[in-house]
Amino acid sequence: GNSVTQMEGPVTLSEEAFLTINCTYTATGYPSLFWYVQYPGEGLQLLLKATKADDKGSNKGFEATYRKETTSFHLEKGSVQVSDSAVYFCALGDYSGAGSYQLTFGKGTKLSVIP
Amino acid sequence: GAGVSQSPSNKVTEKGKDVELRCDPISGHTALYWYRQSLGQGLEFLIYFQGNSAPDKSGLPSDRFSAERTGGSVSTLTIQRTQQEDSAVYLCASSLVWREETQYFGPGTRLLVL
Repeated sequence: GNSVTQMEGPVTLSEEAFLTINCTYTATGYPSLFWYVQYPGEGLQLLLKATKADDKGSNKGFEATYRKETTSFHLEKGSVQVSDSAVYFCALGDYSGAGSYQLTFGKGTKLSVIP
Repeated sequence: GAGVSQSPSNKVTEKGKDVELRCDPISGHTALYWYRQSLGQGLEFLIYFQGNSAPDKSGLPSDRFSAERTGGSVSTLTIQRTQQEDSAVYLCASSLVWREETQYFGPGTRLLVL
């Protein structure tokens, strides 16, 4: 079956530091890959996605590249801000045998950015 | 509506009671999904609706869990005879059509079973 493994947190960084959150996946088909973010007290929001190998998703200064050869989709940001403090989830999207489009999530990485 | 809404936002119940969780998807979205977010398990898929039918119920944890959707809109997730291990945040998501990849999530219902 499909699975997603992401680095465990929590991760604490100073403002303007470089961020990397590692994510690797196992899939039988050709999945799409996503990063979702959950800010304190809010619901999950799609941060970025990539639908095929070598695609780069980007949004709000974050980016991630779909690497088929290493089955990875690492999230990066060059300079984090306090407002980036949140829980980040890597996810894989694929069609089940019953035809539904399912998301399989990693366990989440909590990021805290301190001034 | 503007986004996916869920009610109640918080629910505390006693072990053995039944609970109903409601999801109101984005207007016009035909696909609806339920997920569960628990401390030990992360986010797990429960069930999916295409219109009013649920072609894939394989993610429901036990036969105490059921879900329905009426009018292609509101969905209700029902948990009968709740157990403490049912305590979690239950998330609902919707997408425009069933093959649409981007899912939009509601704020969740936080369920605590005492």
